[in-house]
Amino acid sequence: GAGVSQSPSNKVTEKGKDVELRCDPISGHTALYWYRQRLGQGLEFLIYFQGNSAPDKSGLPSDRFSAERTGESVSTLTIQRTQQEDSAVYLCASSLAGRADTQYFGPGTRLTVL
Amino acid sequence: QKEVEQDPGPLSVPEGAIVSLNCTYSNSAFQYFMWYRQYSRKGPELLMYTYSSGNKEDGRFTAQVDKSSKYISLFIRDSQPSDSATYLCAMKREAGTALIFGKGTTLSVSS
Repeated sequence: GAGVSQSPSNKVTEKGKDVELRCDPISGHTALYWYRQRLGQGLEFLIYFQGNSAPDKSGLPSDRFSAERTGESVSTLTIQRTQQEDSAVYLCASSLAGRADTQYFGPGTRLTVL
Repeated sequence: QKEVEQDPGPLSVPEGAIVSLNCTYSNSAFQYFMWYRQYSRKGPELLMYTYSSGNKEDGRFTAQVDKSSKYISLFIRDSQPSDSATYLCAMKREAGTALIFGKGTTLSVSS
């Protein structure tokens, strides 16, 4: 069975440009999470989706960050007007409903803002 | 003080050694404790998961949780070069959804 997939694997952009990152969760996993991993740091929670419920956006660092998910499938994380401090690996995870203790991660998107 | 503290290392050991990795935490509300392994340029992979206090063993890996000391450990017996990776501890509150991670400890096992 396929795991969590993310695209692109690498993204280099110029400061001020918008970027879109994509996540495809494991089939049947209704919960989806986005995390950010800066160099030498642990993962930081960004946002959580569960089915059709309102997402938990408590981890988004600024209003330049937004995410969408259509139903229980693909999610996109959008960063507007990128800044150099946005450079990081963006990781997506999915889990069964109510099983946030067992999250499966994708390979991540490495974002570099020049 | 960060909620979860983890010594980043690096930790270098010879093949066959017993490895001890640790995290401390400050939030007594944490009830779920996980260890993830992350190879270079890959996503984290769940290794061990423990609910509340106690020990859990899986092959060469043993996870321990001491809630009274707010201290968790991962032991790796008979370490192998393939164990060379970054090990991340993660924790969650009972009703929470977000995992709170340590910074990770980089382990190198030499043959």
